[in-house]
Amino acid sequence: AQKITQTQPGMFVQEKEAVTLDCTYDTSDPSYGLFWYKQPSSGEMIFLIYQGSYDQQNATEGRYSLNFQKARKSANLVISASQLGDSAMYFCAMREGNSGYSTLTFGKGTMLLVSP
Amino acid sequence: DARVTQTPRHKVTEMGQEVTMRCQPILGHNTVFWYRQTMMQGLELLAYFRNRAPLDDSGMPKDRFSAEMPDATLATLKIQPSEPRDSAVYFCASGLNRDTGELFFGEGSRLTVL
Repeated sequence: AQKITQTQPGMFVQEKEAVTLDCTYDTSDPSYGLFWYKQPSSGEMIFLIYQGSYDQQNATEGRYSLNFQKARKSANLVISASQLGDSAMYFCAMREGNSGYSTLTFGKGTMLLVSP
Repeated sequence: DARVTQTPRHKVTEMGQEVTMRCQPILGHNTVFWYRQTMMQGLELLAYFRNRAPLDDSGMPKDRFSAEMPDATLATLKIQPSEPRDSAVYFCASGLNRDTGELFFGEGSRLTVL
């Protein structure tokens, strides 16, 4: 079974609008972490935001926020006020267990295109 | 500006040749990962080191791939002999063995095996 599922292969949004990228995860470990990375056309992987399984509040980093719904096992990324530079591939990832002993498992990604 | 450095950025080689990719992790990071990215499989973990010791290389084809950390500033991934199916982007990432477990990625090495 897929540990990380990103059901949207591609998303389109107009500049200045908000967009939500979906991510669901599967784990039986009570301790885990969820990450979002951005991969622009240049290829590098850029860390955006992190949510721990025990965090009470949804994570926010500037225009990025993570809509964490633990019971539904979802960790959607919300980008507010989209910019042309947000056009990129976005990956959701999960770490199971404690950070010292676990690797990151990635979803297949969602391609976001922001139009003027 | 601390970053993970990977070389070469691009490599084109012929089937059967040896390929070595190098990675300099961020100074002070004690975990190093090698990931492979392809269109079909996405990002797959190949190998994982903590404090230079290999912890997990189950994702790596053992007959042709090898990963080492000769010292704390250098990680290598070697393919011998290379095959066309090895064509991919290979990412090195480093992190700290604490807190969130966030990984910092290099820019990747794009390998094409003809």
